[in-house]
Amino acid sequence: EDQVTQSPEALRLQEGESSSLNCSYTVSGLRGLFWYRQDPGKGPEFLFTLYSAGEEKEKERLKATLTKKESFLHITAPKPEDSATYLCAVQAPGAQKLVFGQGTRLTINP
Amino acid sequence: EAGVAQSPRYKIIEKRQSVAFWCNPISGHATLYWYQQILGQGPKLLIQFQNNGVVDDSQLPKDRFSAERLKGVDSTLKIQPAKLEDSAVYLCASSFGGRETQYFGPGTRLLVL
Repeated sequence: EDQVTQSPEALRLQEGESSSLNCSYTVSGLRGLFWYRQDPGKGPEFLFTLYSAGEEKEKERLKATLTKKESFLHITAPKPEDSATYLCAVQAPGAQKLVFGQGTRLTINP
Repeated sequence: EAGVAQSPRYKIIEKRQSVAFWCNPISGHATLYWYQQILGQGPKLLIQFQNNGVVDDSQLPKDRFSAERLKGVDSTLKIQPAKLEDSAVYLCASSFGGRETQYFGPGTRLLVL
């Protein structure tokens, strides 16, 4: 069974303090790994898709990387507006559904 | 471009009552998904439609949940009768094709008392 585990469950940083969120996965092959951002009371907002080990993608202060067993979401010099829950999901070959982790709740203090 | 629309945004009902949620996907998106997100957890797929047909409903509690997608556009998810454990956010998502990026609506927050 496909499984996704995110760590830590919650992370509190000071503004400007860089860090990384982890997403470990077990899946029979990997078609794609997805990162979403979810603000309180809203639906998940798409950030990145990664398809193969070694791939990296960047958007503003966020950079996502992928290995054969895990993905990292690096956040550089975060601002309070980066506070949100970050969700990781995998899609197996031949499947269309996303299997999500439980998310990492990130808080950036000014 | 308009995003995925859902209504109502909030619903409070008592157990054993019925409730229905509506979703309008992004224009042109053939694939529509319903996910359930329990507080503190990631979304879990309930059912997936490709146009009018069901692709995956393996995790849909079929004794109480039903869904339909008429004319390949809007969709309705129904719960009858509701249980306390159905309290969750119900998210609708759509994608152009089955393996394309999924875009989510704002969700319907259901509280069953």
